[in-house]
Amino acid sequence: DTAVSQTPKYLVTQMGNDKSIKCEQNLGHDTMYWYKQDSKKFLKIMFSYNNKELIINETVPNRFSPKSPDKAHLNLHINSLELGDSAVYFCASSQGAREQFFGPGTRLTVL
Amino acid sequence: AQSVAQPEDQVNVAEGNPLTVKCTYSVSGNPYLFWYVQYPNRGLQFLLKYITGDNLVKGSYGFEAEFNKSQTSFHLKKPSALVSDSALYFCAAVPMEYGNKLVFGAGTILRVKS
Repeated sequence: DTAVSQTPKYLVTQMGNDKSIKCEQNLGHDTMYWYKQDSKKFLKIMFSYNNKELIINETVPNRFSPKSPDKAHLNLHINSLELGDSAVYFCASSQGAREQFFGPGTRLTVL
Repeated sequence: AQSVAQPEDQVNVAEGNPLTVKCTYSVSGNPYLFWYVQYPNRGLQFLLKYITGDNLVKGSYGFEAEFNKSQTSFHLKKPSALVSDSALYFCAAVPMEYGNKLVFGAGTILRVKS
């Protein structure tokens, strides 16, 4: 199936731990994104990569670091997790500024 | 600041009736405009977009949206609501000088009752 996939779907961890979320798209898109959806369902962009180059880097703590090994993958690594990092993280991809296709989300719970 | 407003937290409509979910934007230039739908515990699904051309755009599942430049609005509409349309709807804009950065509204919960 052509899609945007994310792993894991659920992530429960302790404060202070380091964790990663992986994203892959097989749509042939040139741009990938990470969004954070908070408990009130508000969506905010965190990062965007175009052909492996960082093009959007919102005001996000340095503990969050995206990595794009190739244009089909965009991973998100989070250091020293805090309670406030608990949210649903969505990966998305697009071809240029066209519509974005979203992954199923990763629900991160920090205890 | 670039922003998208969805003035209603929730819209309730009876099945078979027409529905409207409102969206206004405050974005410089000529933005691209989008509607997305999110079902519980799922990712966002693209419904429709306006880039240029006809002000009435048609999308998935019988939805359509009307672009009004003078009112800076992009309201989502459907002539006859279904119970299965119940979900969270997001309006979004891409201010073109900001590249591909989608600015989302806060979302509107649509409840369709039978």
